Amino acid sequence: KNEVEQSPQNLTAQEGEFITINCSYSVGISALHWLQQHPGGGIVSLFMLSSGKKKHGRLIATINIQEKHSSLHITASHPRDSAVYICAVIRGGGATNKLIFGTGTLLAVQP
Amino acid sequence: DTEVTQTPKHLVMGMTNKKSLKCEQHMGHRAMYWYKQKAKKPPELMFVYSYEKLSINESVPSRFSPECPNSSLLNLHLHALQPEDSALYLCASSQDIRGTKNIQYFGAGTRLSVL
Repeated sequence: KNEVEQSPQNLTAQEGEFITINCSYSVGISALHWLQQHPGGGIVSLFMLSSGKKKHGRLIATINIQEKHSSLHITASHPRDSAVYICAVIRGGGATNKLIFGTGTLLAVQP
Repeated sequence: DTEVTQTPKHLVMGMTNKKSLKCEQHMGHRAMYWYKQKAKKPPELMFVYSYEKLSINESVPSRFSPECPNSSLLNLHLHALQPEDSALYLCASSQDIRGTKNIQYFGAGTRLSVL
């Protein structure tokens, strides 16, 4: 079983819809990242969270440390939001800081 | 400037060739990373440099040889690669390797094809 699980694996939405992508993890963490990757392209870091909630434009990320769960929300979705969204965690108290990646959520927003 | 620049964008090489991938950042970051990403899979960490010293080597075959000539530059030297090494190679950097300074900024990647 992966240490970081994402759901759904694939998501198709209509333009304007509110989108939620979920991430659950099974290890203690020091931080959680949400990343965006467009097809064939590099990765953009959207958020780094260790508690609470962060907002940037139409994107909102929340984390519940007790439940080991994070969500990424996209309001008023747009076709340009179509991408793979990846959740990644940094294990807490570890000797290394390497990211443990989820398998990603492929989002397609249709006009 | 929050940019990590990778060159070349695309590379095709034969199994007997020697080539190098280059990564550059001018954000004053002291940690730099190489990742390998196969299609529809998450990135896999290969190497981490911290203050120009190799900090993590994830048991990568010796046909991949990293080099960090200075704090802004990271190279990945390739020799005698196999077709299964074809992938997207991503470079990233962060202010430090630990804690809240560990937001990693990724480059656009080099798409490598080994024939």
